[in-house]
Amino acid sequence: DAGVIQSPRHEVTEMGQEVTLRCKLISGHNSLFWYRQTMMRGLELLIYFNNNVPIDDSGMPEDRFSAKMPNASFSTLKIQPSEPRDSAVYFCASRLDSNTEAFFGQGTRLTVV
Amino acid sequence: GDSVTQMEGPVTLSEEAFLTINCTYTATGYPSLFWYVQYPGEGLQLLLKATKADDKGSNKGFEATYRKETTSFHLEKGSVQVSDSAVYFCALSRGAQKLVFGQGTRLTINP
Repeated sequence: DAGVIQSPRHEVTEMGQEVTLRCKLISGHNSLFWYRQTMMRGLELLIYFNNNVPIDDSGMPEDRFSAKMPNASFSTLKIQPSEPRDSAVYFCASRLDSNTEAFFGQGTRLTVV
Repeated sequence: GDSVTQMEGPVTLSEEAFLTINCTYTATGYPSLFWYVQYPGEGLQLLLKATKADDKGSNKGFEATYRKETTSFHLEKGSVQVSDSAVYFCALSRGAQKLVFGQGTRLTINP
């Protein structure tokens, strides 16, 4: 398996534009996490899915952020409209089941200018 | 709720020094415990794990023992190398709950 695949690796966009980040889970995994990492705030959990159902979205900053799992192997994180303070590295991670380790993608570095 | 507290960084050591990064946790029941490593420009990678009390996880010369009595999972390595320079994260998972990470400890090894 190629592991967790994120796209794009880098995204530069202008303030106010819509941004969509994509994540392909490892085949057979049933949990998905979206994290955001910045120097100031470290690693923050945004949302967590189990079997395609959002379990905990308390980390989603505000209504501008939304995440979906249209099927068991794919997820999107959308920011609309984007703001400069959204600049960060966004990671998704998947795991087989509870108590097993999560596997992380390489991340998407988002810059909003 | 569940939480993980790590030793604050940054930590700077000379090559071949002994390394300890402290990690303590708060959780009910019996969580699984993990150490992840993040090299510059990359995602987090699992370094080692332990799923029950007194288990010892080990990988690449790193070790950590699950201590239920002290709710700790300290990371150790006997002789560090420059290539070990990275950010290290302690984490726990309990049942179907989310993964909970510590704040990360940046380690720099000087030749």
